[in-house]
Amino acid sequence: EDKVVQSPLSLVVHEGDTVTLNCSYEVTNFRSLLWYKQEKKAPTFLFMLTSSGIEKKSGRLSSILDKKELFSILNITATQTGDSAVYLCAVDSGGGADGLTFGKGTHLIIQP
Amino acid sequence: KAGVTQTPRYLIKTRGQQVTLSCSPISGHRSVSWYQQTPGQGLQFLFEYFSETQRNKGNFPGRFSGRQFSNSRSEMNVSTLELGDSALYLCASSVSTGKALLDTEAFFGQGTRLTVV
Repeated sequence: EDKVVQSPLSLVVHEGDTVTLNCSYEVTNFRSLLWYKQEKKAPTFLFMLTSSGIEKKSGRLSSILDKKELFSILNITATQTGDSAVYLCAVDSGGGADGLTFGKGTHLIIQP
Repeated sequence: KAGVTQTPRYLIKTRGQQVTLSCSPISGHRSVSWYQQTPGQGLQFLFEYFSETQRNKGNFPGRFSGRQFSNSRSEMNVSTLELGDSALYLCASSVSTGKALLDTEAFFGQGTRLTVV
């Protein structure tokens, strides 16, 4: 059975800190890994990663994939209170009915 | 342009009742996907509709059903509600069929928070 595990489940840091969120996976047919930010209710797309070792960046957020060790990290530098959210990791593997297997998410809280 | 609209935003039902949730996609989007999100199971795919046809279905019991109308609006129905159906139900709209969450142009609604008591 395909599995995606995110850690930590929750994290509280102060504004300005740098955080690293982890996502490990075990899937039979890896195609891509995706990161989402979920504030209040609706998830918003952050990154899609398909190749190992290639960092994707968007402002203070960056992510990288290691297909050999089967994990990805999401880094957020100089955190702001607006970064407080649940960060979801999903793997496209054909495992679920829509081919996506999700982790439970990391609940990130940024304190002023 | 207007975003994805889900109604109602909050709902409280008792066990055994049935419920209908509505999702109006972005104008021009023909695909609507539904997801259930709970703390225990995370985000799980329910089904996808495209041009009034169910294209894909998740691993949920038959109590969960849906439909899509000619204007692309979609409804999701849950019959004989159970306590475990309490969740946030999200819908996502995108232009083409397929996996909404792989489509960077897909948009989510704000969800309907269903509580079953």
